[in-house]
Amino acid sequence: QSALTQPASVSGSPGQSITISCTGGKNDIGGYKYVSWYQQYPGKAPKLIIYEVTNRPSGVPHRFSGSKSGNTASLTISGLQAEDEADYYCSAYTSGTILLVFGGGTKLTVL
Amino acid sequence: QVQLQESDPGLVKPSETLSLTCDISGGSFGTYYWSWVRQPPGKGLEWVGYIYYSGTTNYTPSLKSRVTISIDTSKNQFSLKLTSVTAADTAVYFCARNTNLEYFDFWGRGALVSISS
Repeated sequence: QSALTQPASVSGSPGQSITISCTGGKNDIGGYKYVSWYQQYPGKAPKLIIYEVTNRPSGVPHRFSGSKSGNTASLTISGLQAEDEADYYCSAYTSGTILLVFGGGTKLTVL
Repeated sequence: QVQLQESDPGLVKPSETLSLTCDISGGSFGTYYWSWVRQPPGKGLEWVGYIYYSGTTNYTPSLKSRVTISIDTSKNQFSLKLTSVTAADTAVYFCARNTNLEYFDFWGRGALVSISS
């Protein structure tokens, strides 16, 4: 059981927008501005796509965006493309016993 | 551009010690945290622990009694040792750099470690 809760799967058609939620608590997502998101293709290492809730590393397309409300963070992908089909993980800093926690991951299918 | 590369221990027997190293190229230890993250086959990511460039460590509680992360600045590498392994420790082990501790900005390709007799 992961510390952060994500939907197991989401899907969308090319050109559409999708949002992946990541729910935690007041000791992690709700308490800090330290939420990050990772994209992972099968057999590959995760890639950072959002850090500190809303920031995009250099080279990450603008159609990836992040937000947070209360204890839930969200990743939105606008103008969905076939290459976006991958697994997505959220991560957060926590003041609990585990310093860094991940969500269980969400498989994005582009129809 | 920082690049990380894990060693490849391959198969480890139950009850033995898993040892991995991560070679850092294209950068130095600097003022960063350096982590190990693992991913069991078909499952999600789990942070194992980190070491700061000064040598300070922090481990996830469920593994704390069995894990040691160390650093060798002269070789530009850091290492993971996990003792008394079981099949549950079978996973791809990634080394990664943490910037400001809370996010992982560079990752190694990962090393699959299988625990089997």
